[in-house]
Amino acid sequence: DTAVSQTPKYLVTQMGNDKSIKCEQNLGHDTMYWYKQDSKKFLKIMFSYNNKELIINETVPNRFSPKSPDKAHLNLHINSLELGDSAVYFCASSQTNSGGLNEQFFGPGTRLTVL
Amino acid sequence: GESVGLHLPTLSVQEGDNSIINCAYSNSASDYFIWYKQESGKGPQFIIDIRSNMDKRQGQRVTVLLNKTVKHLSLQIAATQPGDSAVYFCAELKAAGNKLTFGGGTRVLVKP
Repeated sequence: DTAVSQTPKYLVTQMGNDKSIKCEQNLGHDTMYWYKQDSKKFLKIMFSYNNKELIINETVPNRFSPKSPDKAHLNLHINSLELGDSAVYFCASSQTNSGGLNEQFFGPGTRLTVL
Repeated sequence: GESVGLHLPTLSVQEGDNSIINCAYSNSASDYFIWYKQESGKGPQFIIDIRSNMDKRQGQRVTVLLNKTVKHLSLQIAATQPGDSAVYFCAELKAAGNKLTFGGGTRVLVKP
């Protein structure tokens, strides 16, 4: 009954590889996000999708490509992985609520280690 | 540029005492300010928010204060418990795009 789930929880891979992280939410929300948390715990938005449409695209290398097959899924594909990509990646979701706070619910995170 | 930051990286508090976590921000255009709690190995969890036109909001054991004059935000936790041990983040939210900008985080350690 997990609200926002991510797979895998841990991912260890070699530099130069291509990998994907998957995210699913069963809350019926219309917006999903990807955040990166570095080793100093700093959290930063990467992307957001609303009804499968890209809304926020921060300054992220184009090696990172989000894919939203439907409203409940937002996957993150990373090409040519680099050491600096090592971080914890969090998915989140929210429901657009005009006139109020659109609370974001976070997944448990995926710890990516690039060797 | 925009920034949301915290004064203290680590706060040690005795169980039962009150905790105060502080945060400074520089962008006055945000619509909400939010506090998140992140326990080890988990994602951030919403604690409480305050709209930018308010100066105080209370929840269960938590109070958020917003001082727009000095661009300061604080989270007060009453009767701190061991389960409150976590990293706390302040964040600002712009309604357009629902974009969250996080501060650097403060670790709270509750001593028994």
